[in-house]
Amino acid sequence: DVKVTQSSRYLVKRTGEKVFLECVQDMDHENMFWYRQDPGLGLRLIYFSYDVKMKEKGDIPEGYSVSREKKERFSLILESASTNQTSMYLCASGKAVKTYEQYFGPGTRLTVT
Amino acid sequence: AQSVAQPEDQVNVAEGNPLTVKCTYSVSGNPYLFWYVQYPNRGLQFLLKYITGDNLVKGSYGFEAEFNKSQTSFHLKKPSALVSDSALYFCAVRDNRGSTLGRLYFGRGTQLTVWP
Repeated sequence: DVKVTQSSRYLVKRTGEKVFLECVQDMDHENMFWYRQDPGLGLRLIYFSYDVKMKEKGDIPEGYSVSREKKERFSLILESASTNQTSMYLCASGKAVKTYEQYFGPGTRLTVT
Repeated sequence: AQSVAQPEDQVNVAEGNPLTVKCTYSVSGNPYLFWYVQYPNRGLQFLLKYITGDNLVKGSYGFEAEFNKSQTSFHLKKPSALVSDSALYFCAVRDNRGSTLGRLYFGRGTQLTVWP
């Protein structure tokens, strides 16, 4: 079975802190994604990566950065956390071809106070 | 532009009755379509997909979806709903263009509640 793991299920941080969210997949997938999920807004794509050291902006990249140094790991960084970044963060991975679907981690519920 | 619409925020159905969760899409080229389910405080789970072939696609937990090209729809269905089907359902379409190859565009989700 495909497994996508996220470093924390729940996280509480203070305004202005630097926050790291880690995601690891064990299926040698080329593509990895970070979404945030807010009630009534569905899933919005923050950043994605289709190869090591490659990244592309999604729909809402402001206030975030990413890092992909190894194929299996994709990190989301909040440079200076703000209260409007309180949200559920979901990581996903998928193959570039053939299967096409994405596989999701359990999510990290981040609260910024 | 690629997009997905789920016209109903909520769907309520009695246990044992058939259920339908609606999805329409807009895409350049051939559509690759997906349904996901999310239980409370969990990540999304893949249910089924349409890539090519038979318009009726069968997936996990007894769900199926019907692809209709003329109506640009991909509605999720189940003949007999269970209380345990209560969850948030997302429809998605894959972007197969250029540098955005592989990203999915999601609808806003439909909350399904099945009453006992």
